[in-house]
Amino acid sequence: DIQMTQSPSSLSASVGDRVTITCRASQTISTYLNWYQQKPGKAPNLLIYGASSFQSGVPSRFSGSGSGTDFTLTISSLQPEDFATYYCQQSYSIPLTFGGGTKVEIK
Amino acid sequence: QVQLVQSGAEVKKPGASVKISCKASGYTFSDYAIHWVRQAPGQRLEWMGWINADNGNAKFSQKFQGRITIVRDTSTSTAYMDLSSLRSEDTAVYYCARPAITISGVVIPHEWYFDLWGRGTLVTVS
Repeated sequence: DIQMTQSPSSLSASVGDRVTITCRASQTISTYLNWYQQKPGKAPNLLIYGASSFQSGVPSRFSGSGSGTDFTLTISSLQPEDFATYYCQQSYSIPLTFGGGTKVEIK
Repeated sequence: QVQLVQSGAEVKKPGASVKISCKASGYTFSDYAIHWVRQAPGQRLEWMGWINADNGNAKFSQKFQGRITIVRDTSTSTAYMDLSSLRSEDTAVYYCARPAITISGVVIPHEWYFDLWGRGTLVTVS
């Protein structure tokens, strides 16, 4: 199974800050990397697929990059509604696997 | 509207089985797969398996082989996930999820990213 490692596991930031979350795969996964946002008690919400493609309706402040084993999710200017946990997911091989999550909290 | 509606919370004893339903609406059920993903308290999301809603073929993560069954009923646009021999570690919220791309168009598994999720079903094993 491909192991997905996110860092940091949590971070504190202020509204307006630029936030970067990293996801590393245990082997190369090309660009088959997807990002989700999850708020407490809710299902995940797809933000980015294929490492850098925007899901319809996702604000442009979210962006993704990377290929191979190293990927990033960037929030260019953090908004109050962005405080949540973010997960990466690889779709290179079965079983699909997810990262451990990055919790973005208010500073 | 387009949605997946899951059955309600369950409390089960160790060794029992649980069956969760996931009813689709607002789209053609047989055009998409349905996947099952679970999340134990404070843990990462864990993919369990999937079913082709068109032909009913299901495949599972090796971790759950022998304990999981996934079926669908096209007459009611509903998928079901059955997990047996429950243990305390199976306490989790179980989600059904639909990939963004139809069965006929998807490149498996590269385009398995999920744009539609159920609200989740809490299963407590105690």
